[in-house]
Amino acid sequence: DAKTTQPNSMESNEEEPVHLPCNHSTISGTDYIHWYRQLPSQGPEYVIHGLTSNVNNRMASLAIAEDRKSSTLILHRATLRDAAVYYCIPAGGTSYGKLTFGQGTILTVHP
Amino acid sequence: DAGITQSPRHKVTETGTPVTLRCHQTENHRYMYWYRQDPGHGLRLIHYSYGVKDTDKGEVSDGYSVSRSKTEDFLLTLESATSSQTSVYFCAIRAGGSDRVFEQYFGPGTRLTVT
Repeated sequence: DAKTTQPNSMESNEEEPVHLPCNHSTISGTDYIHWYRQLPSQGPEYVIHGLTSNVNNRMASLAIAEDRKSSTLILHRATLRDAAVYYCIPAGGTSYGKLTFGQGTILTVHP
Repeated sequence: DAGITQSPRHKVTETGTPVTLRCHQTENHRYMYWYRQDPGHGLRLIHYSYGVKDTDKGEVSDGYSVSRSKTEDFLLTLESATSSQTSVYFCAIRAGGSDRVFEQYFGPGTRLTVT
């Protein structure tokens, strides 16, 4: 499995954009980059995934570096509900769609 | 929420007793997973299933067994619970058609305390 490096924690103010970085320099050529988040006292929640191109959905945007060794999850306007642990997970090159969770980034959103 | 329920949601049991946790899904997904989450360790995969009667071990499978006799149910059994198995257990399903492009959806979790 590819190793990932994420900041332990980040802070943001409500309604401001948030850029959550992830380094995954050992990612394999076939791995997608998946992002999940876990709100307090809940199970993880799928956010977004991508391979090479930048991706957008209703929750967030994912910017992937050209060499694929890093990616950034972008929350365009943070809300208090976005306070969570965010996990960056390269996956898909192995069988059965297993995910290996690291420690993630704790995002605090201030009103 | 992808129709995933877990039961029980909370359980306190004594060391040495058997415990079975149930994960139930309503959307006929082929792949199901059991994770545990402990402070300082994040989520770790215990076992997973890729079809009825098809299961395999994950990263932390010692002391756990699983069964999947029908698509909708994935059972996790602690044959003889130990205090080190005190944890929050999450079940997940995989949506999406391939091993590369997929999404996992998680249940609400079961908090297990072994005294």
